[in-house]
Amino acid sequence: ETGVTQTPRHLVMGMTNKKSLKCEQHLGHNAMYWYKQSAKKPLELMFVYSLEERVENNSVPSRFSPECPNSSHLFLHLHTLQPEDSALYLCASSQDRVYNSPLHFGNGTRLTVT
Amino acid sequence: AQTVTQSQPEMSVQEAETVTLSCTYDTSESDYYLFWYKQPPSRQMILVIRQEAYKQQNATENRFSVNFQKAAKSFSLKISDSQLGDAAMYFCAYLPTNFGNEKLTFGTGTRLTIIP
Repeated sequence: ETGVTQTPRHLVMGMTNKKSLKCEQHLGHNAMYWYKQSAKKPLELMFVYSLEERVENNSVPSRFSPECPNSSHLFLHLHTLQPEDSALYLCASSQDRVYNSPLHFGNGTRLTVT
Repeated sequence: AQTVTQSQPEMSVQEAETVTLSCTYDTSESDYYLFWYKQPPSRQMILVIRQEAYKQQNATENRFSVNFQKAAKSFSLKISDSQLGDAAMYFCAYLPTNFGNEKLTFGTGTRLTIIP
C-alpha cells in the first residue's frame, strides 16, 4: 500500500466541468507537490506546499487551483480545462523541501479532457 | 537552466541479463544529487538509487548500480540479473544541493522491456 494516495484514479471531464483531484499522504511529511506528466515530456512541477504554505508556482494557468488544508491533504481544483491538459497528474510528498529528502509519489490521476 | 537527457526512449533486455540505461545532464554546479526513479505500470514513481556528486564511489542498491562520470556529466544505471518486475519507465533526475526539491529536473524517461 502506497503512503501517498490519489483519487480518482481516472477522470474524464468536459471543458466546462469543474472537478477536483485529491491527494492524501500517511507519512507525516511536511511538503507536498503536484506534477504533470505528459507523454515524451519531462515531469513538470506545478505546485509545492511546505507546512501548508504554497512556496512554488511554476507559472501554471489559473484554471488549475491548488488547496492544502493541512499537511496530509492536497487538492487540485480544475475548471474550464483544455484538451492539452489531458495528462497524468502525480502527487508527491517529502519529509521536508530540502534537497536530501526523497520524494514519495502516489499512483496518479489519469485525466482526459474532452 | 539544468537539463537532463535520456537518449534511449526504449530498451529491451533478456531476463537474467544485464542492461545499462544512459543519462547525461548539463549543469554549472559543482555539488548536486542525481537520481534514478522507476515507474512501473502501477504509475507510482519509486526511487531506485541516489548519487551524491561529491562522492566518487558509485552508488549500489542490490542489483542496481550506477556509473557516475562527473567530468563527462554522465550518470548511467546498470540493472544486473534483470527480472520481469524491472519492466517500467526509468527516469533520471538532477537536483542541485543548494535548492529544495522544487528544483528537481527530470529526463524524458526510458521504457525498459524485459523479454522472458
